[in-house]
Amino acid sequence: GAVVSQHPSRVICKSGTSVKIECRSLDFQATTMFWYRQFPKQSLMLMATSNEGSKATYEQGVEKDKFLINHASLTLSTLTVTSAHPEDSSFYICSARGGADYEQYFGPGTRLTVT
Amino acid sequence: GQNIDQPTEMTATEGAIVQINCTYQTSGFNGLFWYQQHAGEAPTFLSYNVLDGLEEKGRFSSFLSRSKGYSYLLLKELQMKDSASYLCAVRDSNYQLIWGAGTKLIIKP
Repeated sequence: GAVVSQHPSRVICKSGTSVKIECRSLDFQATTMFWYRQFPKQSLMLMATSNEGSKATYEQGVEKDKFLINHASLTLSTLTVTSAHPEDSSFYICSARGGADYEQYFGPGTRLTVT
Repeated sequence: GQNIDQPTEMTATEGAIVQINCTYQTSGFNGLFWYQQHAGEAPTFLSYNVLDGLEEKGRFSSFLSRSKGYSYLLLKELQMKDSASYLCAVRDSNYQLIWGAGTKLIIKP
């Protein structure tokens, strides 16, 4: 089946620094990738949708200048959390969808802790 | 607005059967998904319904009634490893997934 990887799986950074999270589709071409954030005991919150080669579409309330998304190829999307603060600490999950396939395939998630 | 409702928490006994309901109101409908999510992990796909009726896959079955905006996930022969959150999601007319808040299922011996 389709596999999506994320790197890193866990990251701890200091307040004010930036962190980049990579999302890769390993065995299919992902025309669309999604970035979610999940706080403890809450459901997934869609942050943005990105199509390869075009700018990401951000959900209401998500700061596009803070959460930079790049979907430069059909197998790679990156999320950069700029000037991270402790309130950005969360579980970040990407998912990918390819072509006519209806299913979204989720990456394993990245747990970000900002100290 | 778009809305997906499912119970916050359910408890069931090992070996028993449990039904998790999901009702939805969305802008358009292009399929309903059920995902399982263990604590600290990403969701994993369980089922997909786009036509009315029951889809069976091993111990798990999912039912859809589009006219009622209703689905359920049925889990049979419950095992302790089934303790997890179960997320209902509907794909709307823009092919975006609208997520429910999830149902935390607790299995007791």
